[in-house]
Amino acid sequence: DVKVTQSSRYLVKRTGEKVFLECVQDMDHENMFWYRQDPGLGLRLIYFSYDVKMKEKGDIPEGYSVSREKKERFSLILESASTNQTSMYLCASSRLRPSGGAPYNEQFFGPGTRLTVL
Amino acid sequence: AQSVTQLDSHVSVSEGTPVLLRCNYSSSYSPSLFWYVQHPNKGLQLLLKYTSAATLVKGINGFEAEFKKSETSFHLTKPSAHMSDAAEYFCVVARSGGSYIPTFGRGTSLIVHP
Repeated sequence: DVKVTQSSRYLVKRTGEKVFLECVQDMDHENMFWYRQDPGLGLRLIYFSYDVKMKEKGDIPEGYSVSREKKERFSLILESASTNQTSMYLCASSRLRPSGGAPYNEQFFGPGTRLTVL
Repeated sequence: AQSVTQLDSHVSVSEGTPVLLRCNYSSSYSPSLFWYVQHPNKGLQLLLKYTSAATLVKGINGFEAEFKKSETSFHLTKPSAHMSDAAEYFCVVARSGGSYIPTFGRGTSLIVHP
């Protein structure tokens, strides 16, 4: 089974703190994604990466940065947390191209991290 | 360019009655289409996907969806709702083939009454 894990289920931070959210996948997927989920807004893409050290901005990158030093790990960084970054953060991964009948284009999601910034 | 619209933010049904969750999409390319389900405090799980094979797609837990190109729709149905179907459902469109970024709908909350 594909597994995507996130470092914390719940996190409470103070305004101005630097926050690291970690995501690890074990299926050698090329693509990795960070989303935030807010009621009534669905999932909004923050950043995605299609290879090590490669990253692309999504729809709402302001206030966030990412790091992908290894293929299996994709980190989301809040340089200076603010209260409007209180949200559910979801990580996902997917295969970039077909390979031996394995699922392709389908995203696999982690359980999410609920971040509260006070 | 691509977009997806889920036509209902909430759908309420009684247990044992049919479920219909509506999704319309637009895409400049041949699309891949997905439905994901999210149960409370859980991550998203794939229900089913359309990738240009059969237009009627069967998924897990008795759900199915039909791709209708002429109507640009991909509605999700189930003949008989179960209490465990209560969850948030997301319709997703992505470009078929190559590198892609999927676009999510805003979600439909399915409420199932006993």
